[in-house]
Amino acid sequence: SQELEQSPQSLIVQEGKNLTINCTSSKTLYGLYWYKQKYGEGLIFLMMLQKGGEEKSHEKITAKLDEKKQQSSLHITASQPSHAGIYLCGAVSLTGNQFYFGTGTSLTVIP
Amino acid sequence: EAGVAQSPRYKIIEKRQSVAFWCNPISGHATLYWYQQILGQGPKLLIQFQNNGVVDDSQLPKDRFSAERLKGVDSTLKIQPAKLEDSAVYLCASSWRSQGIGGEKLFFGSGTQLSVL
Repeated sequence: SQELEQSPQSLIVQEGKNLTINCTSSKTLYGLYWYKQKYGEGLIFLMMLQKGGEEKSHEKITAKLDEKKQQSSLHITASQPSHAGIYLCGAVSLTGNQFYFGTGTSLTVIP
Repeated sequence: EAGVAQSPRYKIIEKRQSVAFWCNPISGHATLYWYQQILGQGPKLLIQFQNNGVVDDSQLPKDRFSAERLKGVDSTLKIQPAKLEDSAVYLCASSWRSQGIGGEKLFFGSGTQLSVL
């Protein structure tokens, strides 16, 4: 089965600071998704990456998929308290029939 | 557009009791997923439906968990009898079709938080 390891497990930053979350796969990624989860709530779709070297941005969040398609990073610029939550990467299995989540990264932004 | 609806929002039961969760996906979404998320962990897929058929239930503890999607629309997940380790958030998600290499994003409900005492 495909495994997705995220690092760090948790992160506490001061408001305004930049931060990076990594997602590493044990197998080649055919589709990498980033979701955000507010505590006690459902998941919100952020971005999807498919091509090696692809990079997408939305507001202050940028996600990249490396050329070998086994690692993705999520970068937040000038963090705000609204960025706080759990960030989860997800991926599609080789068969396309299963969707796996990473271990999650808990982000706290201190005002 | 209405999102994925789940109920109840919270549930507290004692071990060995039974509990059921309900999910109504976004209209027209053929694929429905149930995930279990234990505190501090990423969601784990329990079962995936394509219309009213099961695509994957390999991680569903079938001795106590059951799920159905009889008419290919809404779905129920049942635990009978519940154990302490079943305490988790149960998330329902839906998409137009099964995740494929072409990509389909999942839409999630708010989840049901279960506490087993």
